[in-house]
Amino acid sequence: QLHLQESGPGLVKPSETLSLTCTVSGDSISSSSFYWGWIRQPPGKGLEWIGSISYSGSTYYNPSVKSRVTISIDMSKNQFSLKLNSVTAADTAVYYCARPMVRGIIAPFDYWGQGTLVTVSS
Amino acid sequence: EIVLTQSPATLSVSPGERATLSCRASQSVDSYLAWYQQKPGQAPRLLIYDASNRATGIPARFSGSGSGTDFTLTISSLEPEDFAVYYCQHRSNWPYTFGQGTKLEIK
Repeated sequence: QLHLQESGPGLVKPSETLSLTCTVSGDSISSSSFYWGWIRQPPGKGLEWIGSISYSGSTYYNPSVKSRVTISIDMSKNQFSLKLNSVTAADTAVYYCARPMVRGIIAPFDYWGQGTLVTVSS
Repeated sequence: EIVLTQSPATLSVSPGERATLSCRASQSVDSYLAWYQQKPGQAPRLLIYDASNRATGIPARFSGSGSGTDFTLTISSLEPEDFAVYYCQHRSNWPYTFGQGTKLEIK
């Protein structure tokens, strides 16, 4: 059974970098040929797809954050990561990692982590 | 960027009745539209993909229809556990945006 778990600091200061990791169990990132994605949800608001990375390392970012975001894969740890720099209060959200339902496509997502709340505040 | 507009924002329906939720795209997304259900404090759950296909384990009372710019999620007979927020998402072109959500509440 596939399981995704987000981890990282719950509090980040304005202008600093938000860093989160998604640990995957029950599947191998390197051999599964899936894309792996990050989605966020500000408190009380809707969902925003941030970006995705392929098993080969190709990345796809939402233009709304493209200049500030980096998604990477660490196959040795079976993890993928999100870095968002120059954060502001508008980046406060629950951040989810997720995997699509089939290989070779970026969405829709049928496996999700539980989500982790990141607050941007001094 | 394709904008998905969901209506209504809030829908009040009694258990056992039918609920019909709408998602309209600002340009054609063919049939590349999915629906998710989200309950408080939980991650979204995929219900429908490619407009009309139920995801694994989704009860038959959930159905999706539409193509192009107009889509509908229908819940034929509401169960107590169906009251939640529902989102649509397209995968037609970059970026893959979500609608703003419809809250389905108990009448």
